[in-house]
Amino acid sequence: AQSVTQLGSHVSVSEGALVLLRCNYSSSVPPYLFWYVQYPNQGLQLLLKYTSAATLVKGINGFEAEFKKSETSFHLTKPSAHMSDAAEYFCAVSDTGRRALTFGSGTRLQVQP
Amino acid sequence: DAGVIQSPRHEVTEMGQEVTLRCKPISGHDYLFWYRQTMMRGLELLIYFNNNVPIDDSGMPEDRFSAKMPNASFSTLKIQPSEPRDSAVYFCASNRGDTEAFFGQGTRLTVV
Repeated sequence: AQSVTQLGSHVSVSEGALVLLRCNYSSSVPPYLFWYVQYPNQGLQLLLKYTSAATLVKGINGFEAEFKKSETSFHLTKPSAHMSDAAEYFCAVSDTGRRALTFGSGTRLQVQP
Repeated sequence: DAGVIQSPRHEVTEMGQEVTLRCKPISGHDYLFWYRQTMMRGLELLIYFNNNVPIDDSGMPEDRFSAKMPNASFSTLKIQPSEPRDSAVYFCASNRGDTEAFFGQGTRLTVV
């Protein structure tokens, strides 16, 4: 069975500060890992994905994530937060056997001016 | 492509009524997923299809929920009878093979 744990339901950073959103996963097979962003009253938009290629994955809007198998982690980072980054972020896992996504509980990012 | 299209965007209905949510996946995608988002339970998978065939419906809450995919370009999620606890945002998503899932804008269902 797959599962995802996102540490911190709310994260607040100042504009220009580092963004770090944490995600740990559990999977019995090699996972595919994803970060999605959701703006208010919108659907989910893919930020980036890991599918067993490079362990450091770059996504849209300056975000990146590193797959660390030894730590079963896939944390999302951005060097400098922008006001437009304020949204809810979801980490998700799937695999070749089970294509459906299992989501974490989400982290709401606030960016303070 | 216009992306995954869901209708209606908002639905308000009275308890006991039948509700039908609709989804048009991206052309060429062979997987279609229905998810539900609530404050209490977050994003949870209800059912998914591959090539129009239901693969896993273990997330469907109870017999009041049913989903169909009569062809590659259309799927429905039906709730009959609806209850206030079904109030949620329902998302449809699609993908092809190992590509990422693309989500629709969702249907916000309110059952009063």
